[in-house]
Amino acid sequence: GAVVSQHPSRVICKSGTSVKIECRSLDFQATTMFWYRQFPKQSLMLMATSNEGSKATYEQGVEKDKFLINHASLTLSTLTVTSAHPEDSSFYICSARDPGTSNYGYTFGSGTRLTVV
Amino acid sequence: GDSVTQMEGPVTLSEEAFLTINCTYTATGYPSLFWYVQYPGEGLQLLLKATKADDKGSNKGFEATYRKETTSFHLEKGSVQVSDSAVYFCALSSNDYKLSFGAGTTVTVRA
Repeated sequence: GAVVSQHPSRVICKSGTSVKIECRSLDFQATTMFWYRQFPKQSLMLMATSNEGSKATYEQGVEKDKFLINHASLTLSTLTVTSAHPEDSSFYICSARDPGTSNYGYTFGSGTRLTVV
Repeated sequence: GDSVTQMEGPVTLSEEAFLTINCTYTATGYPSLFWYVQYPGEGLQLLLKATKADDKGSNKGFEATYRKETTSFHLEKGSVQVSDSAVYFCALSSNDYKLSFGAGTTVTVRA
């Protein structure tokens, strides 16, 4: 079945630095990818929708200059947390939609645990 | 807008007990409904889905039926195992393909 690879699985960075998280669809082309943020013991919050070849669409309240999304190819989307601060520490999960499987072809990455110290 | 209301947890059960997690939704149009499962430290895995009214999704002994009249999609399993311990999320997707998630229910099954 469809596989989405997310990397890294864990990252610790210093406050003020930037971190890039990659999300790859391994066996299908994903024109649309989604980035979520999950706080401990809470649900997933959609941050943005990443569209190949165009600008990402951010949800209300998400700073687009802080969470830079690039979807330069049909198999890769990246999320860069710029000038990270401890409050950005969270679990980030991407998902990709396989257009060949209608509107229930969502596959999730395994997530990235970001800790900002 | 779309929203999902899910039974609050945590839920603690003994092995072989019956599990039910309630889920109701609000959506425009005719959404697709999903249950996802998240094991500790991992991403989400699709457990089952239903795309139209009266559809029953099933997988690994879990079932849920799309009830349009009650706008519900309750998850059930007749006999849980320790390996079913996880967080379960109810979700829906409308025409814009975005997923809206419920708050998640933590289930712990004790031997």
